[in-house]
Amino acid sequence: DVKVTQSSRYLVKRTGEKVFLECVQDMDHENMFWYRQDPGLGLRLIYFSYDVKMKEKGDIPEGYSVSREKKERFSLILESASTNQTSMYLCASKQGSNQPQHFGDGTRLSIL
Amino acid sequence: GNSVTQMEGPVTLSEEAFLTINCTYTATGYPSLFWYVQYPGEGLQLLLKATKADDKGSNKGFEATYRKETTSFHLEKGSVQVSDSAVYFCALIPFGGANNLFFGTGTRLTVIP
Repeated sequence: DVKVTQSSRYLVKRTGEKVFLECVQDMDHENMFWYRQDPGLGLRLIYFSYDVKMKEKGDIPEGYSVSREKKERFSLILESASTNQTSMYLCASKQGSNQPQHFGDGTRLSIL
Repeated sequence: GNSVTQMEGPVTLSEEAFLTINCTYTATGYPSLFWYVQYPGEGLQLLLKATKADDKGSNKGFEATYRKETTSFHLEKGSVQVSDSAVYFCALIPFGGANNLFFGTGTRLTVIP
């Protein structure tokens, strides 16, 4: 089974802090994704990566950046956290076209 | 463009009731279609999928049939259990192998004993 591991289940940070969310997958997948999930809005794509050091903006990239230095690891960075970035963050990976994405358990991030 | 519309919840059913969660989509060509389930406090899990017209995906007693003529992929289960309480998401990958999944907004199901 594919395993996608997010480094934290719950995280509390303060406004203005730089926040790192880490995601690791163990199936050598080429594609990795970061979403945020908010009530009534479903999942919205922040960024994705289709290869090491490659990244593409999703629907809501503002206020975020990403890093993919190794194939198995995809990091989401909040450069200067704000309260409107309080959310559930979900990482996913997949291999190949038309294949389903496999999700981690999510990180519930609160910005105070 | 590509989009998914699913019925708004929440849906509350008694145990052993029949479940239908409607999902319709807009896409060019023949997208691949998916249902994901999210149990409380967890990430999303793939429940079932269908990659071409008239395909039926099934898993854990859930079924959905890819209907090209009605652009629908409704999720059904004949007899729900309390353990089925979760949020269900319909999603598609556009034809041509794009990387992105397009999600519906999710439908919360609560099954009461």
